[in-house]
Amino acid sequence: NAGVTQTPKFRVLKTGQSMTLLCAQDMNHEYMYWYRQDPGMGLRLIHYSVGEGTTAKGEVPDGYNVSRLKKQNFLLGLESAAPSQTSVYFCASSNHPSGRRADTQYFGPGTRLTVL
Amino acid sequence: QQQVKQSPQSLIVQKGGISIINCAYENTAFDYFPWYQQFPGKGPALLIAIRPDVSEKKEGRFTISFNKSAKQFSLHIMDSQPGDSATYFCAASISGGSYIPTFGRGTSLIVHP
Repeated sequence: NAGVTQTPKFRVLKTGQSMTLLCAQDMNHEYMYWYRQDPGMGLRLIHYSVGEGTTAKGEVPDGYNVSRLKKQNFLLGLESAAPSQTSVYFCASSNHPSGRRADTQYFGPGTRLTVL
Repeated sequence: QQQVKQSPQSLIVQKGGISIINCAYENTAFDYFPWYQQFPGKGPALLIAIRPDVSEKKEGRFTISFNKSAKQFSLHIMDSQPGDSATYFCAASISGGSYIPTFGRGTSLIVHP
């Protein structure tokens, strides 16, 4: 099992450009999350999904959109990138064996994004 | 409002010493408390976790101590090694309720050889 994978690993954008970050998991997890990590700020939740076709806003959703068309994929979009979106982005997934709870989070390796 | 407060922000320990990282939470409904370890350039990974029905959990050199009345939990790394140098995050969540864990802001641990 590959676990959680993220594409791309690195990206440099100019202000105003758009891009999509792809997250894929092969653990059949119901729940998926997008976080950004900035120095001294820890992990901040951008958007999350509790199942295929569902999405919800997290702590810092502005400037981002997401889609969960397939259970194994969770896409994060930046429609018009801004320098404030320079960050490291992590995708995570979780599930509980019973399917009723979400406990441990499994993280991908991250995408380092720079917006000039 | 930060629901899980983690301290210290950074920690430097000599090889063989004990590293202690503390977290305090506010929401008494939290019932799952994991610690994640993150090496540079990698994603966080679960290190050890505890539920409030026990006061301590040990896995090798890593121990979680949990104080329900004080709403605090801590990670102790015994015999700290340079390979333990990483960022550590505590978290808290509510099983069966919200699907969103609350993370502390992280502690950067450096273990000098």
